[in-house]
Amino acid sequence: EIVLTQSPDFQSVTPKEKVTITCRASQSVGTSLHWYQQKPDQSPKLLIKYASQSISGVPSRFSGSGSGTDFTLTINSLEAEDAAAYYCHQSSSFPITFGQGTRLEIK
Amino acid sequence: EVQLVESGGGLVQPGRSLRLSCVASGFAFSSYAMTWVRQAPGKGLEWVSGISGSGGSTKYADSVKGRFTISRDNSKNMVHLQLNSLRAEDTAEFYCVKGTTSGFNDAFDMWGQGTMVIVSS
Repeated sequence: EIVLTQSPDFQSVTPKEKVTITCRASQSVGTSLHWYQQKPDQSPKLLIKYASQSISGVPSRFSGSGSGTDFTLTINSLEAEDAAAYYCHQSSSFPITFGQGTRLEIK
Repeated sequence: EVQLVESGGGLVQPGRSLRLSCVASGFAFSSYAMTWVRQAPGKGLEWVSGISGSGGSTKYADSVKGRFTISRDNSKNMVHLQLNSLRAEDTAEFYCVKGTTSGFNDAFDMWGQGTMVIVSS
């Protein structure tokens, strides 16, 4: 099983700050790594697919990079509405796995 | 509008069964793999099971293999998850999820609102 480890687990940030969340895989997943945002009491929402591909309707301040085992989700100029949990997900091999999540709090 | 609506959750005793259903609309249902993902209260996301667009191929997490069965009815745009031999650790919100292609190994671009399963005596 491929284990995805996100860091940090929690971060308190101020609006307009740049945020970086990392996801490290226990073995290579190529670029089969996707990012989701889950706001309180809502279902997850796809933010980035295949490491760096943007999703229609997702604000351009969200971007992704990486390949192999190391990936990054970057949020430029954070907004108050970005308070949420963020998860990475690998679809390279079964069982499909998710990172443990990173919770962003807006100060 | 693409929509996934789950139903069938509830309170059930350990060892009993439950059948979850998800009805899809707004896309060519049979062209996409469908997946169930669960989330225990206050916890992260856990992949449970997936089924190909045709229904001919299924996958399961080890934690549910032999107890849960995924199926789909493309004539009704529905996917089901039969939960047998339920345990307390199965307590979770269950999400019906659509993949971005017909294959299993893909991003999940649409999630239902979830249906809650509580296993307790």
